[in-house]
Amino acid sequence: DAKTTQPPSMDCAEGRAANLPCNHSTISGNEYVYWYRQIHSQGPQYIIHGLKNNETNEMASLIITEDRKSSTLILPHATLRDTAVYYCIVRVAYTGNQFYFGTGTSLTVIP
Amino acid sequence: DADVTQTPRNRITKTGKRIMLECSQTKGHDRMYWYRQDPGLGLRLIYYSFDVKDINKGEISDGYSVSRQAQAKFSLSLESAIPNQTALYFCATSDSMNTEAFFGQGTRLTVV
Repeated sequence: DAKTTQPPSMDCAEGRAANLPCNHSTISGNEYVYWYRQIHSQGPQYIIHGLKNNETNEMASLIITEDRKSSTLILPHATLRDTAVYYCIVRVAYTGNQFYFGTGTSLTVIP
Repeated sequence: DADVTQTPRNRITKTGKRIMLECSQTKGHDRMYWYRQDPGLGLRLIYYSFDVKDINKGEISDGYSVSRQAQAKFSLSLESAIPNQTALYFCATSDSMNTEAFFGQGTRLTVV
């Protein structure tokens, strides 16, 4: 069963912030939210993960709602190289088993 | 050099043939995974291994087998390939802290 829901596609203008939403209404208390992206059939690449606090790294920011039922990945200044499929995954870190990927959001950054 | 290396990168094989896809990693990770991806779809887990003597089935293990020969090596076999196994195959690793997975560049397999 799908544990996350993402829009199938989104566009973003180059240089603007890309905000990618994810719904995970059945998330458990010990499950983290992970984001990966896949550029043109390459191997998926880790972006960021978080439990309940907002997180930021050199690639992106992750905003998790207070009830943890949804989150948003933010790419602050999208470039053409950010065009990819973005996957939102919920799983138990440290002791969790697999990474289950859904169909993700296909982000197109427009010049 | 890549941390997770898959060989071959591309392969065309005939129906009924046995084929092995190989994966090796230099991350020193215990956990290794095999996924397949079909056009327009996400990745689906075939098998995973948490240690050399540990093998576990994923979502879609039928028609596949695996071997964890060493910590660094995890191979996927198709005993008798069929056309609907045509797909992009990815190997991945993660450490025992299991915070993130590292993926290989993929093997594009075509069964004709």
